[in-house]
Amino acid sequence: AQSVTQLDSQVPVFEEAPVELRCNYSSSVSVYLFWYVQYPNQGLQLLLKYLSGSTLVKGINGFEAEFNKSQTSFHLRKPSVHISDTAEYFCAVSGYRGSTLGRLYFGRGTQLTVWP
Amino acid sequence: ETGVTQTPRHLVMGMTNKKSLKCEQHLGHNAMYWYKQSAKKPLELMFVYSLEERVENNSVPSRFSPECPNSSHLFLHLHTLQPEDSALYLCASSQEVGNTDTQYFGPGTRLTVL
Repeated sequence: AQSVTQLDSQVPVFEEAPVELRCNYSSSVSVYLFWYVQYPNQGLQLLLKYLSGSTLVKGINGFEAEFNKSQTSFHLRKPSVHISDTAEYFCAVSGYRGSTLGRLYFGRGTQLTVWP
Repeated sequence: ETGVTQTPRHLVMGMTNKKSLKCEQHLGHNAMYWYKQSAKKPLELMFVYSLEERVENNSVPSRFSPECPNSSHLFLHLHTLQPEDSALYLCASSQEVGNTDTQYFGPGTRLTVL
């Protein structure tokens, strides 16, 4: 079975500072990895996903994430945040095959708050 | 309308009421999903439909009854709910089930059970 741990429930940062949101997963098989963002009063929106190839994945709004298989991590980063990045961020995994393929297992979320 | 829409956006109901949540996707997708988002808990997958056929039901209490009349519409019928059922209910769609297609989410229905 797959599970996801987001190590920080809240991350406050000042505008234009860099940010890293941490995500670790556990799985007995290979996985696909995703980051979603949820702005206030909205549904989830895909930021980026890792399926294969380069371990550094670039997404929308200047975000990127790096897949580290040995550390079973998929941390999300942005070099300079804006107030508009204030939102909740969810890491998710999907299994590689069979009944777990396409089935998303989410973490509890990290609330990113950007202060002026 | 584009994307995935959900109505109503907010719903307050008593434990003896019957209500329905509606989801519509305008993306031409074949798969639709219901998720429950409770505070400080991971999103919980409730139901999965592929071409109007239910393909997954994750031990959800029978007081939640899904319906998928066609590939564009998904309903969640609610009856005799409990206060702990208060949550944000999210609908999503993807091109197909069982692959890496991106899931597109609606804005959710905020449900409060009194």
